[in-house]
Amino acid sequence: GDSVTQMEGPVTLSEEAFLTINCTYTATGYPSLFWYVQYPGEGLQLLLKATKADDKGSNKGFEATYRKETTSFHLEKGSVQVSDSAVYFCAPTLCAGNNRKLIWGLGTSLAVNP
Amino acid sequence: NAGVTQTPKFQVLKTGQSMTLQCAQDMNHNSMYWYRQDPGMGLRLIYYSASEGTTDKGEVPNGYNVSRLNKREFSLRLESAAPSQTSVYFCASKGQMTYNEQFFGPGTRLTVL
Repeated sequence: GDSVTQMEGPVTLSEEAFLTINCTYTATGYPSLFWYVQYPGEGLQLLLKATKADDKGSNKGFEATYRKETTSFHLEKGSVQVSDSAVYFCAPTLCAGNNRKLIWGLGTSLAVNP
Repeated sequence: NAGVTQTPKFQVLKTGQSMTLQCAQDMNHNSMYWYRQDPGMGLRLIYYSASEGTTDKGEVPNGYNVSRLNKREFSLRLESAAPSQTSVYFCASKGQMTYNEQFFGPGTRLTVL
């Protein structure tokens, strides 16, 4: 069945370090790909998205590229800040008939130390 | 434009009590969702509604019921609360296209004693 595998956390980095959070998925169709972020005590919000192969989504210094050949959508940031401490979720959206099914990774907790 | 609103923000129930979590969106979205979030489990879909008048079970529907009252509102009811339903509950809504993102409410933190 359709599924997503996301790098397990927690991830702890020092400020200005490079971040990669891996995400791979299995899908029968061609999903749109999303990364959501959840800051402490809040709901989830969209961080970035890509809707077709080779698209690159970017926002707040984060980037992810839709790799159809490896079915991956890894999240990267060149220099993390303390304010990036949050939980990050990878979520492919698949189309099944009239329903739009969004599959969730388990989330990766990131803590950035000053 | 408030987005997705949820009430209440916090609730404590005793085992066996009932309650309804309310959710409303003002973005004219067709699809609405109820999730629960537990430590180490990520987000799990309880029920969803692809359009007004339709509801479908998600991954963990047991112990819950839903009502899509109109296009704006989607409520979640616990008829007889159990300690296993202690969780944070999120409502979300989404536009029609596959590339539309979900918009989330702020969540309801529920404790069942």
